[in-house]
Amino acid sequence: AQSVTQPDIHITVSEGASLELRCNYSYGATPYLFWYVQSPGQGLQLLLKYFSGDTLVQGIKGFEAEFKRSQSSFNLRKPSVHWSDAAEYFCAVGVGGGGADGLTFGKGTHLIIQP
Amino acid sequence: SQTIHQWPATLVQPVGSPLSLECTVEGTSNPNLYWYRQAAGRGLQLLFYSVGIGQISSEVPQNLSASRPQDRQFILSSKKLLLSDSGFYLCAWSFRDTQYFGPGTRLTVL
Repeated sequence: AQSVTQPDIHITVSEGASLELRCNYSYGATPYLFWYVQSPGQGLQLLLKYFSGDTLVQGIKGFEAEFKRSQSSFNLRKPSVHWSDAAEYFCAVGVGGGGADGLTFGKGTHLIIQP
Repeated sequence: SQTIHQWPATLVQPVGSPLSLECTVEGTSNPNLYWYRQAAGRGLQLLFYSVGIGQISSEVPQNLSASRPQDRQFILSSKKLLLSDSGFYLCAWSFRDTQYFGPGTRLTVL
């Protein structure tokens, strides 16, 4: 079975600074990888996804993520964070292939933005 | 465009009471539908998924059940709530292997 690890429970970043959120996965084949963002009391919004092809994927709100097969990682990055980026971020892995399987999520990273 | 709705947004229920949460999707047909639960300090746990009317798969044995009476309607139920059922319940639908989530229902069992 697949699993996802987000090693950082909380991260504090100054506004305008760069950001990297870590995500490691365990899966026997090439996974489908996702990053979602959740504001307090809200549902999850898809930031970006990786299925195949170019290992650097661009998402919404200026985020990008890089798939590194050798490290089983899919880290999320942003060159300059804004106060509105404060939220909970979830990495997820899916089996894909058109099946109905659900996603396996990490436990999330809480991002705090300092002024 | 597709839209997913959940209601109610918040719910406070006593232990032992029944539960019914509803999820509907607009703008698509025959979607795969999912129920997740997010407990405090934990990630999201898949509870049920459905590939069609009347077709429900359970991922975790528990006090909850799900039904899909119509193509775009997914209902989460319980006959008797437990304290451990408290959490944030999210419905999702999928398109081309990507899942899109509803706004969620906050359930507090007292």
